[in-house]
Amino acid sequence: GNSVTQMEGPVTLSEEAFLTINCTYTATGYPSLFWYVQYPGEGLQLLLKATKADDKGSNKGFEATYRKETTSFHLEKGSVQVSDSAVYFCALSDHTGANSKLTFGKGITLSVRP
Amino acid sequence: DSGVTQTPKHLITATGQRVTLRCSPRSGDLSVYWYQQSLDQGLQFLIQYYNGEERAKGNILERFSAQQFPDLHSELNLSSLELGDSALYFCASSSPRTETTYEQYFGPGTRLTVT
Repeated sequence: GNSVTQMEGPVTLSEEAFLTINCTYTATGYPSLFWYVQYPGEGLQLLLKATKADDKGSNKGFEATYRKETTSFHLEKGSVQVSDSAVYFCALSDHTGANSKLTFGKGITLSVRP
Repeated sequence: DSGVTQTPKHLITATGQRVTLRCSPRSGDLSVYWYQQSLDQGLQFLIQYYNGEERAKGNILERFSAQQFPDLHSELNLSSLELGDSALYFCASSSPRTETTYEQYFGPGTRLTVT
């Protein structure tokens, strides 16, 4: 079955530090890949997406590139801010028939210190 | 604001009881998905409805059921509640336009506490 593996957390960084959150996946076919973010006390927000190999998703300074050869979709940001403190989830949708459910990783908590 | 609404925001109930969670999708969205978020299981897909019909089932217990009404809102019914059902329940929606990219937009969730 499909699965998403995220690096273990939590992650604590100082403001303006570089961020990388690793994500690898297992899926049949060619899934779409997503990063969702959950701020404290809120629901999930779509951060960025990529639908085919070598696509780069980007939003709010975050980027992730769909790497089919390494089955990865690592999230990066060049300079994090305190307001980026949240839980980040990597997810995939494998386009199997009519089922477009999302399979999520366990999530990783990011804390950014001033 | 994603445009997906969920009520109630919080729900506290006792074991053995039955509750109903409600979700209204974004305007124009035909698909509704339900997910459960718990500390031990993470985020898990429960069930999907498309334009009133069940489309896919995930790890949904037999004690749980859902439906989507003609106005496209959806309800998730949880019965014979157990302590382990305490979790955040999210609803998400997507439209035929985003079906090709499989984006889903999430509501704020309902936090269920079973005591």
